[in-house]
Amino acid sequence: DAKTTQPNSMESNEEEPVHLPCNHSTISGTDYIHWYRQLPSQGPEYVIHGLTSNVNNRMASLAIAEDRKSSTLILHRATLRDAAVYYCRERGNYQLIWGAGTKLIIKP
Amino acid sequence: NAGVTQTPKFQVLKTGQSMTLQCAQDMNHEYMSWYRQDPGMGLRLIHYSVGAGITDQGEVPNGYNVSRSTTEDFPLRLLSAAPSQTSVYFCASSHKPDSMFSYNEQFFGPGTRLTVL
Repeated sequence: DAKTTQPNSMESNEEEPVHLPCNHSTISGTDYIHWYRQLPSQGPEYVIHGLTSNVNNRMASLAIAEDRKSSTLILHRATLRDAAVYYCRERGNYQLIWGAGTKLIIKP
Repeated sequence: NAGVTQTPKFQVLKTGQSMTLQCAQDMNHEYMSWYRQDPGMGLRLIHYSVGAGITDQGEVPNGYNVSRSTTEDFPLRLLSAAPSQTSVYFCASSHKPDSMFSYNEQFFGPGTRLTVL
């Protein structure tokens, strides 16, 4: 089964960059890498996705390893509002597989 | 657009009771799905639908039924509630399911917190 691996939790200081890693060693060459986040007491929300090239949007950047077995979500200046659980996902059998995610703690 | 809406927000049931969790989306999305999230865990797929009249089982379907009579609505029925079904339930939708070389953003509802006593 498709599976992603992320650290259980990470801490960062406010207004500093944050690098959230993910290993997706079983990903196929045709599947996108997705990142979502879940703020406290809310449903998950989309952050970013990519296939092979690094990607940027207004929320974050996504760096994808050349062999696509890992990726890193980069928050350039973390704020308190970025405290959430971040999920890296890949597709398996037409359904995206959710791991336990990384709980990001932002220290003021 | 309201996006994905879920009702109720909170529900307490007694063991053996049945109920229906409602989910609706106004984005004309073909793909809808139900997840449950237990404390400290990621989401687990219960059932999904790729279009009106078509449903299929996910990872943890036992004890739940779904139907999809319209594009907009995808209710989840608990047949005989058990304490093990105490969880937060999320409904999600996307234009289509992801497939090779295809990405479709999933939109999630706010969730229903269910407690079964």
